[in-house]
Formats: sequence, structure tokens, C-alpha cells
Amino acid sequence: EPEVTQTPSHQVTQMGQEVILRCVPISNHLYFYWYRQILGQKVEFLVSFYNNEISEKSEIFDDQFSVERPDGSNFTLKIRSTKLEDSAMYFCASSEARGQGHGYTFGSGTRLTVV
Amino acid sequence: SQKIEQNSEALNIQEGKTATLTCNYTNYSPAYLQWYRQDPGRGPVFLLLIRENEKEKRKERLKVTFDTTLKQSLFHITASQPADSATYLCALGGYQKVTFGTGTKLQVIP
Repeated sequence: EPEVTQTPSHQVTQMGQEVILRCVPISNHLYFYWYRQILGQKVEFLVSFYNNEISEKSEIFDDQFSVERPDGSNFTLKIRSTKLEDSAMYFCASSEARGQGHGYTFGSGTRLTVV
Repeated sequence: SQKIEQNSEALNIQEGKTATLTCNYTNYSPAYLQWYRQDPGRGPVFLLLIRENEKEKRKERLKVTFDTTLKQSLFHITASQPADSATYLCALGGYQKVTFGTGTKLQVIP
């Protein structure tokens, strides 16, 4: 069963530092997403990405956030200057198609703790 | 504003019974709706998708209904097992993303 792989599984960082969360989506998927889940809360959409550009982003995804697909396999989320409230589980997901097609395959997440 | 409501209280049922979870939404016209399972500390796992023109979908012990008039989806697990214990999330489908509800925690008691 193909998997979405995320690294690291846990990241602790000091407030104000930059972090990069990494994801390897499923190889034949074309659409990529980042979601986050603050402890005890719902899974929230951050950004969708297709054809090397952002398709849609939420209001959470402000100028501190950026995404990149630097090569044919990796998909990264960068937070430039972390805040305490960025502490959450960050999930990467990918799908074969958008719209009415397909479920998303999620990774196991990166738990980000900002201290 | 758009709202997706799932029963925030945990649902406890006896093994072998049918579990029924509800997802209600307002101010939204989704083209499709998905259900996911989430275990503690893990990412959501896709279970089923139902489109706006479909009334019912089945997969093994799972059944989903979608009533666009009532703006409601019901998710059923028949012959429930302790291994079905998890949080179940509904997600409303847009073109570029899906939006998740808060989830309902299901506990199947042996």
C-alpha cells in the first residue's frame, strides 16, 4: 500500500526559529496538501498545491508559511518565524485528482512543539 | 459562515451492534462528502466518498448516506468490533480542498 512519508515525526523548536517540515507524497499523485491539528481540535486546512503552485490557501497560511516542491518527490512546508501557537500536528496529504474524485492519503504527521 | 457539525460527545456501543454517526452542515453545498478514521496521534485514513447525486454508498461493513436536502450524512458501521474504536471525521469536498468536521469518538465495548 503506497504511503505518504513525513519527517521528522517530532520537532521541537524555539520561538522565532525557522522550521521545515518534509513530506514525500505518493509518486503518481498530482495534488498535495498541508493540514494541521492543534491538540484536541479539528483538522484544519492550510494549503493545496498543484502543478508547482498554490491552488488555495487558508487564512492561517499567512506570510510566515511557504510551500515548495524542490524536486520530483519532496513537498515541504516552511514556517519562517515560529510562534507558540504554531504548536500542532502537521499532516501532509496527497490525492490522485481533485474535485469529485478521490480520497486523500495522509501521512502520519509531524508533531511541532514551539517553546 | 460554513459549519460542519458532528456529535462532540463520544458514542459508546456494544460489540456487534450498529454504530450510527451523524454529520450536519450549514451554509455549504459540497460536491461530495468523505468519511475518515483517525486514531490517536495518527493521520486521518480515508474510508468512503459519496457524491452529491448519490444517496447511499457501501463498503464492507460501512454504509454512508447523503441527504443534500437535510444537509446531513449518516455513517453506519454494522457488526461493530472493538477494533472499530476511533474518531470518525466527515469532510466536505470542495474543488481545491476538503474541510473537516470536529469528529465523533466511537468506543465499541466488548
